[in-house]
Amino acid sequence: DTGVSQNPRHKITKRGQNVTFRCDPISEHNRLYWYRQTLGQGPEFLTYFQNEAQLEKSRLLSDRFSAERPKGSFSTLEIQRTEQGDSAMYLCASSPSGGRDGYTFGSGTRLTVV
Amino acid sequence: GEDVEQSLFLSVREGDSSVINCTYTDSSSTYLYWYKQEPGAGLQLLTYIFSNMDMKQDQRLTVLLNKKDKHLSLRIADTQTGDSAIYFCAASETSYDKVIFGPGTSLSVIP
Repeated sequence: DTGVSQNPRHKITKRGQNVTFRCDPISEHNRLYWYRQTLGQGPEFLTYFQNEAQLEKSRLLSDRFSAERPKGSFSTLEIQRTEQGDSAMYLCASSPSGGRDGYTFGSGTRLTVV
Repeated sequence: GEDVEQSLFLSVREGDSSVINCTYTDSSSTYLYWYKQEPGAGLQLLTYIFSNMDMKQDQRLTVLLNKKDKHLSLRIADTQTGDSAIYFCAASETSYDKVIFGPGTSLSVIP
């Protein structure tokens, strides 16, 4: 297993466009988390899944954001009508059930909205 | 909700010990973590401690927890230039709950 994989690594998009990011977690991990990190800040929680069920969404996740994990494996995060304030690093992490050893993070997708 | 605070910068000389401090607000936080982020890299879990522990040692790393004051610290012994990174304190209520991160402490090690 190569760890948590995120694609693309970088995305530049024009304001108003839609973007979609993909996360492939560690295969035996049934929990998957999305975070957003802006420069000089710690990661901010966005949402998480157990298998295919989305269990919690942050208030940060406006109605322009949607996340899915259709078969309990990979997940996608879509941002519609992007705004400059959406520019950030989007991090995905996974953990097994009862994962007391913390998360395994991917390297992130850096989004720049111009 | 949980709020995690850290000092933003720390500078130490190579070979000295580094101590990074953190405070959290939610007494129901049971799992407390330290993550490391190097430039251009993802977050790496360094160590964690359960709230029923006072101390945990792992090679050069020592974590101290004062549950009464909701204060967590990470001590790095014999700090090396390769330890230069941002260190995040984080907390969660359960092992599978969302983890709340602090703003990170940027550690600079002077050769």
